Amino acid sequence: QKEVEQNSGPLSVPEGAIASLNCTYSDRGSQSFFWYRQYSGKSPELIMSIYSNGDKEDGRFTAQLNKASQYVSLLIRDSQPSDSATYLCAGPPFSGGYNKLIFGAGTRLAVHP
Amino acid sequence: EAQVTQNPRYLITVTGKKLTVTCSQNMNHEYMSWYRQDPGLGLRQIYYSMNVEVTDKGDVPEGYKVSRKEKRNFPLILESPSPNQTSLYFCASSRGVLSRGDKPYEQYFGPGTRLTVT
Repeated sequence: QKEVEQNSGPLSVPEGAIASLNCTYSDRGSQSFFWYRQYSGKSPELIMSIYSNGDKEDGRFTAQLNKASQYVSLLIRDSQPSDSATYLCAGPPFSGGYNKLIFGAGTRLAVHP
Repeated sequence: EAQVTQNPRYLITVTGKKLTVTCSQNMNHEYMSWYRQDPGLGLRQIYYSMNVEVTDKGDVPEGYKVSRKEKRNFPLILESPSPNQTSLYFCASSRGVLSRGDKPYEQYFGPGTRLTVT
């Protein structure tokens, strides 16, 4: 089992809809997670980080962390065509002493007008 | 402007010809790392450095070397490149991975280096 897993997609949603991106992880000791957005050929840029159970909201984005079920999700409300990108989930595993960062393979999101 | 720079941005080389990709940050960050990105595999960490003279292997270190002699620079060295090292490489820096309170630090990524080994 990969340490951080994501559905590769593509996830296609209409403009204005809610896009739901999911990520599961295997290291039960993992404490914190990041969501990065990456446009094709560009470097990743941080969308949100979360380190407490529950929800964290920032504008149109909501990150959810459920440590008991070992999953992290990102909700994008009122999706826009400019949100079309690959979304990467990442976390530092306990097994790496929290010094390494493991990324999922990414989920490609396509928002169509 | 706070940034991470990488050079070169594009490189085509031949098997066995040693090369170095430079990485520099101006944010006084202690933590720096190198990643490679391949289709379907996402970002995989090659090496990371917690501070000057402190480096450690990531998940895919084979065929790579690094050094951290100064805080701002973290070059990636391929002593004998092979075609399976053809990839998109990113350097990143941050204050660390997690703070003492488990709050994650943001990783700042460079623009990437696209390497082709023929």
